[in-house]
Amino acid sequence: KAGVTQTPRYLIKTRGQQVTLSCSPISGHRSVSWYQQTPGQGLQFLFEYFSETQRNKGNFPGRFSGRQFSNSRSEMNVSTLELGDSALYLCASSLGPSQGSETQYFGPGTRLLVL
Amino acid sequence: AQSVTQLGSHVSVSEGALVLLRCNYSSSVPPYLFWYVQYPNQGLQLLLKYTTGATLVKGINGFEAEFKKSETSFHLTKPSAHMSDAAEYFCAVRALGGNEKLTFGTGTRLTIIP
Repeated sequence: KAGVTQTPRYLIKTRGQQVTLSCSPISGHRSVSWYQQTPGQGLQFLFEYFSETQRNKGNFPGRFSGRQFSNSRSEMNVSTLELGDSALYLCASSLGPSQGSETQYFGPGTRLLVL
Repeated sequence: AQSVTQLGSHVSVSEGALVLLRCNYSSSVPPYLFWYVQYPNQGLQLLLKYTTGATLVKGINGFEAEFKKSETSFHLTKPSAHMSDAAEYFCAVRALGGNEKLTFGTGTRLTIIP
């Protein structure tokens, strides 16, 4: 079974631009979560989607948004990029709440550099 | 709110020596606990997890961890370190039921000395 895939793997943008990152979960997984990893703040939860609905959101500004499609694939968007948005963005999938699964499986991440 | 504290941002051990990475959690009820490993330029890989039942949990690559409720700890150990164990290790906590959010510790970078 294929793992979590994320595209693109690397991205360079300039301040003020916007960016869209994509995540394809493991087949059969319906929950997708996003995390931001930076040297200063570590791993921080962005949001979680299940059945196309955002179930939980971390403490990030409204410039960070996401969505989930009917096939469970998810995208996250960051508008008006700032230098501090440079980070590794990790996507994780799981079967979903009330599905008896406690494990999130992570993708390789998208490394975003904002210049 | 739940939180995780990892003591020691950097740990160095000799090849063949015991590996001990410390993790303490704060939660009003026993949560789910996880250890993940991250190799350079890669995502996170699950080493092991504690949900319910047996408090000594065995994971991949010879790692194990013991859930100690009285000490609110979930320390990761490996009897004999191997060069390939050099990586960053993250302890994480998640509430029972409800959402899927993981709260991570700050990580411990493990260096293996030949």
